[in-house]
Amino acid sequence: AQTVTQSQPEMSVQEAETVTLSCTYDTSESDYYLFWYKQPPSRQMILVIRQEAYKQQNATENRFSVNFQKAAKSFSLKISDSQLGDAAMYFCAFYLEYGNKLVFGAGTILRVKS
Amino acid sequence: DGGITQSPKYLFRKEGQNVTLSCEQNLNHDAMYWYRQDPGQGLRLIYYSQIVNDFQKGDIAEGYSVSREKKESFPLTVTSAQKNPTAFYLCASSRTGTSLGYSNQPQHFGDGTRLSIL
Repeated sequence: AQTVTQSQPEMSVQEAETVTLSCTYDTSESDYYLFWYKQPPSRQMILVIRQEAYKQQNATENRFSVNFQKAAKSFSLKISDSQLGDAAMYFCAFYLEYGNKLVFGAGTILRVKS
Repeated sequence: DGGITQSPKYLFRKEGQNVTLSCEQNLNHDAMYWYRQDPGQGLRLIYYSQIVNDFQKGDIAEGYSVSREKKESFPLTVTSAQKNPTAFYLCASSRTGTSLGYSNQPQHFGDGTRLSIL
């Protein structure tokens, strides 16, 4: 069974600094997709960034970027120039095409200090 | 604006009672999903549906039931068989298809329903 592990229950970062959230996954498949979702206190799930496994280039979206290491099955999220609005729970998710379902990690709470 | 509407925002259940959570989407998405989120934990899949009149069990389907009579609607019933229903429930939808090109379509989420026991 596919699993997603987020080993950091909580992280803190100073405003304007950079923080990296870790995610590892386990799968025997070669074609898959990875996502980072943000869940602020409002509980809404917001897509932050996505990565196709067949692409070697790391995805970037403004201040958010990923470090995708396929051989190591690692998919970390880097947030640059952290802002107070970045404070949220962040979930890493692995997409299983068969069954069309996402597998989520347990989440990392990110706190941003002013 | 297109989106997913979940109602109610808060719901209470008495012992032995079935309750139904509503999920409606106007995104013209084929696939819809129900997740359960417990405090401090990630999302776990309850049921999903890739097409009208068809649905599959997820990882924690026991004590729940669903229907998919319309493309736009995917209600979830929490039955009395679900002994620990207190949680936050999220509905999601996405495009679906067998071609790889659709596979990276993200799921869009509703705002959730918090269910508690009276």
